[in-house]
Amino acid sequence: QKEVEQDPGPLSVPEGAIVSLNCTYSNSAFQYFMWYRQYSRKGPELLMYTYSSGNKEDGRFTAQVDKSSKYISLFIRDSQPSDSATYLCATPPAGTSYGKLTFGQGTILTVHP
Amino acid sequence: DTAVSQTPKYLVTQMGNDKSIKCEQNLGHDTMYWYKQDSKKFLKIMFSYNNKELIINETVPNRFSPKSPDKAHLNLHINSLELGDSAVYFCATGTTGGWGEKLFFGSGTQLSVL
Repeated sequence: QKEVEQDPGPLSVPEGAIVSLNCTYSNSAFQYFMWYRQYSRKGPELLMYTYSSGNKEDGRFTAQVDKSSKYISLFIRDSQPSDSATYLCATPPAGTSYGKLTFGQGTILTVHP
Repeated sequence: DTAVSQTPKYLVTQMGNDKSIKCEQNLGHDTMYWYKQDSKKFLKIMFSYNNKELIINETVPNRFSPKSPDKAHLNLHINSLELGDSAVYFCATGTTGGWGEKLFFGSGTQLSVL
């Protein structure tokens, strides 16, 4: 079992839709979670990060962590064609990580006009 | 001004050749990394350097040799290239140690071994 699992999709939605992207993780010691966005032929860029359980909101994006079920989600409201990208969840190992992030496989999202 | 720049962007080569990828960052971070992204988009850490010192080596074959001449540069040399080395290689940089480093990635080098 991979430490972080993510449905690769692809996911196609119309503009304006609410998008839900999800990951599950296996190690209950994980405490920090991140979402990276990767446009085609580009490197991933950090979109949001959360610590522990609960929600974190940033504009149209909301990151949610449910530690009891080891489930993390990213919601995109009012999705735009410019949101079309691959979204990767990631987490560092417990303790000092030195950038050793474990990534999910990434979900390919297409928002069509 | 690009924060993390990698060269070349594309690299096509024959099996058995030796090649290098260069990376430079101007963010002033102490730590630099090489990540590999396979054809299924899995992104996995290969190496981590902190102030020119190797911190992480994720059981990468010793055909791969990173070199950090200073904390702004981290190069990756690959000997005797194999078909399975075909992937996108990303250089990244981040803040030092601790929880939740925010990584800044370069645009990647797409390596194709024929």
